[in-house]
Amino acid sequence: DAGVIQSPRHEVTEMGQEVTLRCKPISGHNSLFWYRQTMMRGLELLIYFNNNVPIDDSGMPEDRFSAKMPNASFSTLKIQPSEPRDSAVYFCASSTGTREGEKLFFGSGTQLSVL
Amino acid sequence: GESVGLHLPTLSVQEGDNSIINCAYSNSASDYFIWYKQESGKGPQFIIDIRSNMDKRQGQRVTVLLNKTVKHLSLQIAATQPGDSAVYFCAANDATGTASKLTFGTGTRLQVTL
Repeated sequence: DAGVIQSPRHEVTEMGQEVTLRCKPISGHNSLFWYRQTMMRGLELLIYFNNNVPIDDSGMPEDRFSAKMPNASFSTLKIQPSEPRDSAVYFCASSTGTREGEKLFFGSGTQLSVL
Repeated sequence: GESVGLHLPTLSVQEGDNSIINCAYSNSASDYFIWYKQESGKGPQFIIDIRSNMDKRQGQRVTVLLNKTVKHLSLQIAATQPGDSAVYFCAANDATGTASKLTFGTGTRLQVTL
């Protein structure tokens, strides 16, 4: 089992550019979560999907952030346009999506630096 | 300008001693709790979890204790080793409907000294 796979591992971009982060959840998992981790705020939930449908996006900072899950094996988090304050580590996690399987499995994260 | 970050509490223990990391949660409706370990440059890794119908659960060298009355959770690590050095996070679920999400605490840094 390869676990949750995120790409890229590192992304350095300039302010104003579009950034797309990618995630492949564990096969068979029905829920997918995007978290952001910073020194200022710790680990924050941005959005989560259940069966490819966004359930709660209240953590998405603003309209510059969008997330999609076109199928059960792929999700993207897009920032357009990016700003320096978006610099953080972005984690994707997945779970079975049931009350009995609430344990999250995290990817290795994408370290984003916006200059 | 000056930046202010989260002040992570740090627990420093000697190798071989037992470690106890504490966590408070706020949602009295939470019924699932979990501990994660995060090493530098990696994603959080699952350590142990517990449901609210239990007050203690043991794993390999780790024990989680749950006190629902005061909404407190603790992680005990026996015979702490240098490889246990990391940031430890507790999380509690928001159990509404069939889907569930976890809310994480700010974390505690564990430093193991030789």
